[in-house]
Amino acid sequence: QKEVEQNSGPLSVPEGAIASLNCTYSDRVSQSFFWYRQYSGKSPELIMSIYSNGDKEDGRFTAQLNKASQYVSLLIRDSQPSDSATYLCAVKQEGGGADGLTFGKGTHLIIQP
Amino acid sequence: GAVVSQHPSWVICKSGTSVKIECRSLDFQATTMFWYRQFPKQSLMLMATSNEGSKATYEQGVEKDKFLINHASLTLSTLTVTSAHPEDSSFYICSATTGAGRYGYTFGSGTRLTVV
Repeated sequence: QKEVEQNSGPLSVPEGAIASLNCTYSDRVSQSFFWYRQYSGKSPELIMSIYSNGDKEDGRFTAQLNKASQYVSLLIRDSQPSDSATYLCAVKQEGGGADGLTFGKGTHLIIQP
Repeated sequence: GAVVSQHPSWVICKSGTSVKIECRSLDFQATTMFWYRQFPKQSLMLMATSNEGSKATYEQGVEKDKFLINHASLTLSTLTVTSAHPEDSSFYICSATTGAGRYGYTFGSGTRLTVV
């Protein structure tokens, strides 16, 4: 069974610092990885996707993927109070068609002003 | 960008009644739509996958006769919770993709279902 593991937190980070969120997954054939942000009572919104080993940067966000270690991370630079939310790691197994995502339980991030 | 509209955003119903939730892709054709359920402080759990014009594929443990899914067009999928019970109270979220899904999934705004 595919599993995605995240530390539930809460992770408390001072405003302006770097927030580091981690995720591990169990299914070695997974090929597509996503980070979503979810505010309380709202649906997830996509922050970043990553498919290849290494780093991918988008503004203040950097996703890192290490398939050998089955590890995905998200770095948030210059953290803002508005970044306070639950961050969900999601994994998709690359198949011939479209498969649903397997989500981790999420890390609750708190940015302290 | 891709937009998925989900209605209603919240609904309260009595035990034993049925509730229908709609999920529409507004600016793209969604060949595949997914339905997730999220209990408080839990992650999203995939319930079923629906492809336009074919029967939905349900995840293990999800009752297909209780959660009826219809994907009659490339822009609309519906989830009907039949004979709802309080334990069905949850946050239901749909998601859509245009193809093989490599480029991410767009989520609807979710439906908060409360069964009393």
